[in-house]
Amino acid sequence: DAGVIQSPRHEVTEMGQEVTLRCKPISGHDYLFWYRQTMMRGLELLIYFNNNVPIDDSGMPEDRFSAKMPNASFSTLKIQPSEPRDSAVYFCASTYGGADTQYFGPGTRLTVL
Amino acid sequence: RKEVEQDPGPFNVPEGATVAFNCTYSNSASQSFFWYRQDCRKEPKLLMSVYSSGNEDGRFTAQLNRASQYISLLIRDSKLSDSATYLCVVNTGNQFYFGTGTSLTVIP
Repeated sequence: DAGVIQSPRHEVTEMGQEVTLRCKPISGHDYLFWYRQTMMRGLELLIYFNNNVPIDDSGMPEDRFSAKMPNASFSTLKIQPSEPRDSAVYFCASTYGGADTQYFGPGTRLTVL
Repeated sequence: RKEVEQDPGPFNVPEGATVAFNCTYSNSASQSFFWYRQDCRKEPKLLMSVYSSGNEDGRFTAQLNRASQYISLLIRDSKLSDSATYLCVVNTGNQFYFGTGTSLTVIP
């Protein structure tokens, strides 16, 4: 059974460019989470969805960040325009029921020059 | 105040040693608790859930103290392969809160 799938695995871009990260959750899971991890701040929750609906986006740093989940099997996190301080590893995770084990994707390592 | 606090370490222990990590959480209504393991440049993976009565999985023992709002993880007979960062995770219903992680290095 495939786990959480994320793409791309690595992204290097220049400041000001648009970046789109993609995630496919585990089939049947009804919660999807986007996290950002840096050495300084650890793992931070950005936003999470339940049944494709955004529930809490209070962790989204600013208007440059947006996330969508058009269907149960796909979500995107977009940064426009990107800045060097956005450099981090972005993880997507999914779970069933909201309080059970979270399964993480392999992450997207983003570098903004 | 952070929702979940952990000692970041690092903990450097010899093979065969016993090591314990503690984690405190601030929300007394927290419902479920976990320990995750994260290897360098990899994603976090579930190590074990933590139950009120305490639970054991091989060399790993997890304890929960609701009154004092802390969670512990004990690793016995440490192996080189245990070297990783251990993340304490608390769920308050719909939201997961991760500690910043405790780094463990097991030395030959």
